[in-house]
Amino acid sequence: DGGITQSPKYLFRKEGQNVTLSCEQNLNHDAMYWYRQDPGQGLRLIYYSQIVNDFQKGDIAEGYSVSREKKESFPLTVTSAQKNPTAFYLCASSNWGGTGELFFGEGSRLTVL
Amino acid sequence: QKEVEQNSGPLSVPEGAIASLNCTYSDRGSQSFFWYRQYSGKSPELIMFIYSNGDKEDGRFTAQLNKASQYVSLLIRDSQPSDSATYLCAVSNPGNTGKLIFGQGTTLQVKP
Repeated sequence: DGGITQSPKYLFRKEGQNVTLSCEQNLNHDAMYWYRQDPGQGLRLIYYSQIVNDFQKGDIAEGYSVSREKKESFPLTVTSAQKNPTAFYLCASSNWGGTGELFFGEGSRLTVL
Repeated sequence: QKEVEQNSGPLSVPEGAIASLNCTYSDRGSQSFFWYRQYSGKSPELIMFIYSNGDKEDGRFTAQLNKASQYVSLLIRDSQPSDSATYLCAVSNPGNTGKLIFGQGTTLQVKP
């Protein structure tokens, strides 16, 4: 079945470590997004990519980095520069010319110890 | 002013009642509006989208859009305990980047 796969679902990190969250989609969507969600909050956009080898900063890009080397993949690296990285991270994709709907993966929950 | 505003709730309704969830947005150029449901610890799932002024119905759900008032709402008829979740309103970015701007969500509790 088509969908978006995020891994790992749960991740623990020590302060000062970089971690990379994986996001893979087989929906053949052009655009991919990373959102962050904190408890009781809505989703805030970190980075997005509309085509391969191109990506744009969202509202809270500081301390994060991404790459888009393949259409199917959009990994997110949470660097040690991110001061408060504990959160629920959601990857999404959408199809240009479609409804504009975002399709979400199951999310990755990062906890900094 | 936040770009997309929702009352965080919780909104509590008895089973079988109508739940009314509201959302306002600041950018008059927004074109598309979405309601997502999110269960605790899970990712959001699309309930409905609406583009045009007026009402759009899908089963027990009705989305209402008033662009002049910059207001979008979601009505849930015959509310069930399984409807208990957080409902996120999302608005498309007018720059046609495909980005959605989310409100903070309204928590709905349906009591048996």
